[in-house]
Amino acid sequence: DGGITQSPKYLFRKEGQNVTLSCEQNLNHDAMYWYRQDPGQGLRLIYYSQIVNDFQKGDIAEGYSVSREKKESFPLTVTSAQKNPTAFYLCASSPPLAGRYTDTQYFGPGTRLTVL
Amino acid sequence: AQKVTQAQTEISVVEKEDVTLDCVYETRDTTYYLFWYKQPPSGELVFLIRRNSFDEQNEISGRYSWNFQKSTSSFNFTITASQVVDSAVYFCALSEWTDSGAGSYQLTFGKGTKLSVIP
Repeated sequence: DGGITQSPKYLFRKEGQNVTLSCEQNLNHDAMYWYRQDPGQGLRLIYYSQIVNDFQKGDIAEGYSVSREKKESFPLTVTSAQKNPTAFYLCASSPPLAGRYTDTQYFGPGTRLTVL
Repeated sequence: AQKVTQAQTEISVVEKEDVTLDCVYETRDTTYYLFWYKQPPSGELVFLIRRNSFDEQNEISGRYSWNFQKSTSSFNFTITASQVVDSAVYFCALSEWTDSGAGSYQLTFGKGTKLSVIP
């Protein structure tokens, strides 16, 4: 089945450690995104990537890093520089753009990160 | 900067009641897209609808309907005859073009409305 997978579902990290969240899609989508969601808040964009080997900072990129070595994969690393990393992280992807047409972002099931 | 406001933080209704979720947006762009997503307790966002700024026709899909009014910058969502399975957080989002990098559309989300349907 086509879709977006995120792993792990729950992740616990000790303060000062880096941790990497996985996001994989088999939808053949070009664009991929990472969002952070805090309780009672909307989603905030961390990073996004339109093509392989290229990515752009979103609104809250500080303390995070990404890579896009393959079309299917867009892992997010939460570094020790991120001061308040406990949150729900959602990965999304969207099909190729055509002219100025946008398209829907489809979301994975999310990873809940807790810093102990 | 674009902005999406969902003034209703939480709504509770009794099953079979109709409920409307409000969404007001701000944008300077003439071409934009509006979305509604549903987030059930499991956490995954589920796409419900996309509407472009040139199409002001209301849309109905089963028990769901959407009222887009450009004059008031609103894109409201109504659930008719609500059911317990409708209990979720609903997000309205606005998509606009950005020239960053290769250029892309980016979504700005409202803070969501938590809907509880009581049996």
